[in-house]
Amino acid sequence: NAGVTQTPKFQVLKTGQSMTLQCAQDMNHEYMSWYRQDPGMGLRLIHYSVGAGITDQGEVPNGYNVSRSTTEDFPLRLLSAAPSQTSVYFCASREAGVGVYEQYFGPGTRLTVT
Amino acid sequence: AQKITQTQPGMFVQEKEAVTLDCTYDTSDPSYGLFWYKQPSSGEMIFLIYQGSYDQQNATEGRYSLNFQKARKSANLVISASQLGDSAMYFCAMRDKGTGANNLFFGTGTRLTVIP
Repeated sequence: NAGVTQTPKFQVLKTGQSMTLQCAQDMNHEYMSWYRQDPGMGLRLIHYSVGAGITDQGEVPNGYNVSRSTTEDFPLRLLSAAPSQTSVYFCASREAGVGVYEQYFGPGTRLTVT
Repeated sequence: AQKITQTQPGMFVQEKEAVTLDCTYDTSDPSYGLFWYKQPSSGEMIFLIYQGSYDQQNATEGRYSLNFQKARKSANLVISASQLGDSAMYFCAMRDKGTGANNLFFGTGTRLTVIP
C-alpha cells in the first residue's frame, strides 16, 4: 500500500494562476479531507468528502474547489491563487464507521504564491 | 465552537527523561476524541495516540501515554524515556460533531527538543 499520496511536493504560482493539487489513496477509505498548515497556526480544514460524489466545506474553504468522482482521488483546485494561499497542504483519509477515527495523512504539498 | 489550546510553544528535555506536553480543549459535545500527532522536520504527520471521551482508561502506546482529565478538559501527552528522534513538533487535535464527519481541529503545536 502506498497510503495517501500527494503531487506535486512543491509548487510556485504567480498571483491569479490556477492549479490542482492531487491526492490519492489506495486504502479504500470513504472519508477524505484537505487541510492547510500555516506557520504557528496548526492545521485547518478546507474541504472534506464522505464518499464519491459528496463534498462539504470545512473551516477555510474560500478560494478552493473540490470534487470526488472516485473513492481513490480527491483533488483540490485553487481557482485564482493569492499570496494568502501560500501554505503547506495536507490530504488525509480514514475509514468510515463509528469508532474508527485515525486519519492517515499524505506527505504534503508546499505551495508558494508570489 | 471547539477549541484546542497548547500553551507551550517550545519545550526542552534531557535524553532518557520523561516530558509532558500540555493540551486543553473546549467542546459542548459529550462525544469527542483527542489525538496527538508528531511532525518531524521532514514534515509528515504521524499519528501517536487517541483517547475517546467515554474511554475509562488513559490511552497508552509504547512510550506515549495520554493523561486524560475530563473534568479539567485536559489531555496531556507524556513521553517517557525521551530519545533524540523525539525532537519534533507535536500537535493536539480534537474531533467532535462540530468538525464535520469527525475531521480534526488542531492546536498550534509544541516544538520539543531532546538534548543529548
